[in-house]
Amino acid sequence: IAGITQAPTSQILAAGRRMTLRCTQDMRHNAMYWYRQDLGLGLRLIHYSNTAGTTGKGEVPDGYSVSRANTDDFPLTLASAVPSQTSVYFCASSGGSGDTQYFGPGTRLTVL
Amino acid sequence: GDSVTQMEGPVTLSEEAFLTINCTYTATGYPSLFWYVQYPGEGLQLLLKATKADDKGSNKGFEATYRKETTSFHLEKGSVQVSDSAVYFCALSGANFGNEKLTFGTGTRLTIIP
Repeated sequence: IAGITQAPTSQILAAGRRMTLRCTQDMRHNAMYWYRQDLGLGLRLIHYSNTAGTTGKGEVPDGYSVSRANTDDFPLTLASAVPSQTSVYFCASSGGSGDTQYFGPGTRLTVL
Repeated sequence: GDSVTQMEGPVTLSEEAFLTINCTYTATGYPSLFWYVQYPGEGLQLLLKATKADDKGSNKGFEATYRKETTSFHLEKGSVQVSDSAVYFCALSGANFGNEKLTFGTGTRLTIIP
């Protein structure tokens, strides 16, 4: 089934640890995105990628990094997790300008 | 910068009631407008969209009209069902980064009582 997969589904992490959230899409979309969802704040863009080999910063990029080595994968890395990064993380992709964004099922991350 | 303001929830309605969730936006240029829905424990799904002024998006009995004069994109449904219980997000897509960056409202939680 075409779509976006994210892993892990949920994770509890000690502060200071490194963590990579995985995202894979099989729709051959050029653009991919990472959002975090926090109660009362909606979804906020962390990083994005217009095409393989390029990345850009969104609204809340601090403490996160991304890479886009190929079209399908867009991992999000927390180099040294902090409790304020406790959130639900959604990956999304879209095919081009004006196209709909399709979302993955999310990763619930808790940093203690 | 771009922003989206939607009515705060939670909203609780009885089955078959009329629904309106207000959404207004601030943006430069001519954004595309979206309503996304998030069912419990799931990711976001596109509900409907409109790409230019006076367009009406519709899906599953929901409708929203792109009103440039009032910078609004209110979501409506004539008769809600229990299965419509979810969180609804209004969003706009601008060209700030040369791509389809979405700016979201804070979400409105809707609960339908049988």
